[in-house]
Amino acid sequence: AQKITQTQPGMFVQEKEAVTLDCTYDTSDPSYGLFWYKQPSSGEMIFLIYQGSYDQQNATEGRYSLNFQKARKSANLVISASQLGDSAMYFCAMREGYNFNKFYFGSGTKLNVKP
Amino acid sequence: GAGVSQSPSNKVTEKGKDVELRCDPISGHTALYWYRQRLGQGLEFLIYFQGNSAPDKSGLPSDRFSAERTGESVSTLTIQRTQQEDSAVYLCASSPKAKSGAYEQYFGPGTRLTVT
Repeated sequence: AQKITQTQPGMFVQEKEAVTLDCTYDTSDPSYGLFWYKQPSSGEMIFLIYQGSYDQQNATEGRYSLNFQKARKSANLVISASQLGDSAMYFCAMREGYNFNKFYFGSGTKLNVKP
Repeated sequence: GAGVSQSPSNKVTEKGKDVELRCDPISGHTALYWYRQRLGQGLEFLIYFQGNSAPDKSGLPSDRFSAERTGESVSTLTIQRTQQEDSAVYLCASSPKAKSGAYEQYFGPGTRLTVT
């Protein structure tokens, strides 16, 4: 089974609107971490936001927030007030347990922000 | 400060040749990872180094792949007898000792390898 599933290969959003990128994960370990990365066309992976499995509140970083629904095993990324510079690939990732070698990445979602 | 750097940025090689890819992590980062990203796909874990511990090589796809790291410094990924299926972007990431448990990874720009 896939550890990380991103079901949206591509998304379009109008500039200044909010967009949600879906991510579901699969683990039986009670301790895990969830990450979102942005990969612009330049290729570099940029860390956006982190959510620990024991964190009570949803993580937020500026315009990014992570909608963490533990029972559903989902960790959707919400980008508010989209900007043209948000156009990029977005990857959801999971660190399973405290095994720092065990990072799993989804297949990514290509976000296009329209002016 | 300086981020993770990788060299070369692009490498074109003939099938059967050996290649060596280099990664300079952020100073002080104890963990270092290598990933492979094929065109249009997600990241595939290759190998993980943590300080002076034995590396986790469980992601290396074949014995043609090897990697070294001296202490907490530079790492090299070597691919011997390259095949066309090795064509991909090879990404390196480093990670600091955790303050919060996040252990986020800081990625380099990658090396695009093309095997002809």
